[in-house]
Amino acid sequence: ILNVEQSPQSLHVQEGDSTNFTCSFPSSNFYALHWYRWETAKSPEALFVMTLNGDEKKKGRISATLNTKEGYSYLYIKGSQPEDSATYLCAHASGGSYIPTFGRGTSLIVHP
Amino acid sequence: DTAVSQTPKYLVTQMGNDKSIKCEQNLGHDTMYWYKQDSKKFLKIMFSYNNKELIINETVPNRFSPKSPDKAHLNLHINSLELGDSAVYFCASSQDERLEAAFFGQGTRLTVV
Repeated sequence: ILNVEQSPQSLHVQEGDSTNFTCSFPSSNFYALHWYRWETAKSPEALFVMTLNGDEKKKGRISATLNTKEGYSYLYIKGSQPEDSATYLCAHASGGSYIPTFGRGTSLIVHP
Repeated sequence: DTAVSQTPKYLVTQMGNDKSIKCEQNLGHDTMYWYKQDSKKFLKIMFSYNNKELIINETVPNRFSPKSPDKAHLNLHINSLELGDSAVYFCASSQDERLEAAFFGQGTRLTVV
């Protein structure tokens, strides 16, 4: 059973649109939530590590929020650009597991 | 300098062979991992290893084994390769597996024919 769910599975937007997607995870025994950006033919690169309920992180036009009580995190991209096209992965670490479990990712395609 | 490097990048081999994929990190991290990327691009953990503990995903066949000659290396050995082993394998490392994001290698595409 995959207990880290990401939605939507894929997303097509136009350049300049703002977009967001969701990562859901078990709320019990939460430890950390990681976001990664994975471009085609490259390896995943870390965006954020979030640990506290209510955390908000920002990197340029990309930001993320965290709700550990209800078990979700949102990733936002403001003014999407074609170079934002990638798969965005989240990974959840709990107190009972040393190793973060990855979701299946959201594939974002930004059309010029 | 590449932080996490894997060799080879591509590996084509016949069924039944034994092969290894090497991984080296120059970040001074304590923990290294091997992931398998399935056909739907899902990253599935195979092993996590630091100088204290090896954690094995119980679904990984025992034909797969990690070997760590030192803290900077975690090689993946695969015995009696099967067609279903064809995939992209990623090595990664992190300082703290839960609190620190992992740095990934560029992946090794294994094709078993």
